Amino acid sequence: DAGITQSPRHKVTETGTPVTLRCHQTENHRYMYWYRQDPGHGLRLIHYSYGVKDTDKGEVSDGYSVSRSKTEDFLLTLESATSSQTSVYFCAINVGGNTGELFFGEGSRLTVL
Amino acid sequence: GDSVTQMEGPVTLSEEAFLTINCTYTATGYPSLFWYVQYPGEGLQLLLKATKADDKGSNKGFEATYRKETTSFHLEKGSVQVSDSAVYFCALRENTGNQFYFGTGTSLTVIP
Repeated sequence: DAGITQSPRHKVTETGTPVTLRCHQTENHRYMYWYRQDPGHGLRLIHYSYGVKDTDKGEVSDGYSVSRSKTEDFLLTLESATSSQTSVYFCAINVGGNTGELFFGEGSRLTVL
Repeated sequence: GDSVTQMEGPVTLSEEAFLTINCTYTATGYPSLFWYVQYPGEGLQLLLKATKADDKGSNKGFEATYRKETTSFHLEKGSVQVSDSAVYFCALRENTGNQFYFGTGTSLTVIP
């Protein structure tokens, strides 16, 4: 089974501070994704990666950057956190080929005061 | 662009009631369709999927049929249990790439 570890699982920070969330996979899946989940909006894609150093923007990428220097790690950075970025963040990997599904991590709850 | 629309919640049912959660999609070509379930405090888990028209996905008593003519993928279960209380997400994967699109989720509460 695919394994994903997200860290930290919970974080409280103040407006204007930088925050980095980490997603680590135990296998070598090519595609990795960061989503945010908010009431009334479901899941919205922030950024995704299709390989080492290959990333692209999703529908809500403003205020976020990502990096992928190793296959197993996908980092999401908020350069200067704002209260509107209070959310639950999920990392996911694409498993199973062309008709495969997403496998999700357990989420990181971020509160920006 | 591609999108998914699912029925608004929350939905409250008594145990052993019949469940339907509607999901319709807009997509070019032939997407793959999914239902995910999220239990409180957890991430999303794949419940079932269908990859081509007329396919029926099933798991844990839940079923959904890929209907291309009505662009729908409604989730059904004949007899819900308290343990089915969760949020359910309909999703599609575009057939030309690796983008996934999610509905807004439907919260289900089953009461004894």
